[in-house]
Amino acid sequence: GENVEQHPSTLSVQEGDSAVIKCTYSDSASNYFPWYKQELGKRPQLIIDIRSNVGEKKDQRIAVTLNKTAKHFSLHITETQPEDSAVYFCAAYYSSGYALNFGKGTSLLVTP
Amino acid sequence: NAGVTQTPKFQVLKTGQSMTLQCAQDMNHEYMSWYRQDPGMGLRLIHYSVGAGITDQGEVPNGYNVSRSTTEDFPLRLLSAAPSQTSVYFCASSYSTPVTDTQYFGPGTRLTVL
Repeated sequence: GENVEQHPSTLSVQEGDSAVIKCTYSDSASNYFPWYKQELGKRPQLIIDIRSNVGEKKDQRIAVTLNKTAKHFSLHITETQPEDSAVYFCAAYYSSGYALNFGKGTSLLVTP
Repeated sequence: NAGVTQTPKFQVLKTGQSMTLQCAQDMNHEYMSWYRQDPGMGLRLIHYSVGAGITDQGEVPNGYNVSRSTTEDFPLRLLSAAPSQTSVYFCASSYSTPVTDTQYFGPGTRLTVL
């Protein structure tokens, strides 16, 4: 099945700095890559996604880039704020099943 | 809409006991799934369903059963609980597959097996 690797596992940044989280996937047929944010004790929530026919997508302070040749995609958060502190999960669509495969998560801490 | 609901929020079981985790959605979603979340392991798919009467296994199905008799409900059954099943369980749903439609998660059930 699909193997999704996510790095780093923890990330600490100062408020106002940028944060970048990277994921790689193994199934070259994967065509959908969402990112979820999970605050402590809460459920995961979709924050942005990208499909294989697009190289970059932006939504205010967050953006996702996709390199299909290299099979990796990244989440970029600019002008980080303390409320961005959470665990972020990347995922890739598992083309041989109707399911998403998730990375192991990145714990982001934004310090004031 | 209540969205995706899960009951109970917390549960403690003894090894060997059985129980059912409930999941319901009121959004007329065809696709429903169950994940378990363990520290450092991310979200791992247990079972999923693409519609009433249709279920399939995910990455970690052993020890769990599911059924989908209605569009709204997708219960997860633990037949004989083991300590390795201590985890947080999330149910999720989407109108169609997660590729084409946003997947919404329930609030989770924290299960401890002693």
